[in-house]
Amino acid sequence: SQTIHQWPATLVQPVGSPLSLECTVEGTSNPNLYWYRQAAGRGLQLLFYSVGIGQISSEVPQNLSASRPQDRQFILSSKKLLLSDSGFYLCAWAVGAAYEQYFGPGTRLTVT
Amino acid sequence: DQQVKQNSPSLSVQEGRISILNCDYTNSMFDYFLWYKKYPAEGPTFLISISSIKDKNEDGRFTVFLNKSAKHLSLHIVPSQPGDSAVYFCAFSGGSNYKLTFGKGTLLTVNP
Repeated sequence: SQTIHQWPATLVQPVGSPLSLECTVEGTSNPNLYWYRQAAGRGLQLLFYSVGIGQISSEVPQNLSASRPQDRQFILSSKKLLLSDSGFYLCAWAVGAAYEQYFGPGTRLTVT
Repeated sequence: DQQVKQNSPSLSVQEGRISILNCDYTNSMFDYFLWYKKYPAEGPTFLISISSIKDKNEDGRFTVFLNKSAKHLSLHIVPSQPGDSAVYFCAFSGGSNYKLTFGKGTLLTVNP
């Protein structure tokens, strides 16, 4: 069966510091991968998605970036965090053109 | 451009009664509709879905209804149980491949 891992579970970082969040999927090949953010009181905002290694589509202009160095690995990064980057970050995967996406446990990021 | 609206931020029902969660949408390109359930500090879990060629889909206690002419999606939970207490997101797909557009969520509280 497929599983998705995210780490760390929680993170507190000062403004201006770098960020690296990692997501890995097991049990499937060539998944579509997604990064979402849920800010306080808001819905799920799609940040990036990838349909293959090295392919990244950005949905929202911001100081975040994403990379997919391996088939089942998706990384969310920032060179300098802003206070507004605080939120709950979720990674998700889907198979091919399937509509259902499956989410990881999330990372709670607090920028102080 | 708010393509999806979940107008009720919260809903409270008694155990054993029906819970009805609603979403409205404006994008006519949406052709697949999903509901997700989310507990605090966890990732959303896929609940049930429906394609645009249907107007109803059932899975146990959960039924999703689609009214395409009104651009309205609803989720019925019967009977409601305390374990159903969570935030429910509607999600829509269509037009652009691979992406879901989420509502802001409705917090359902089922009281014993």
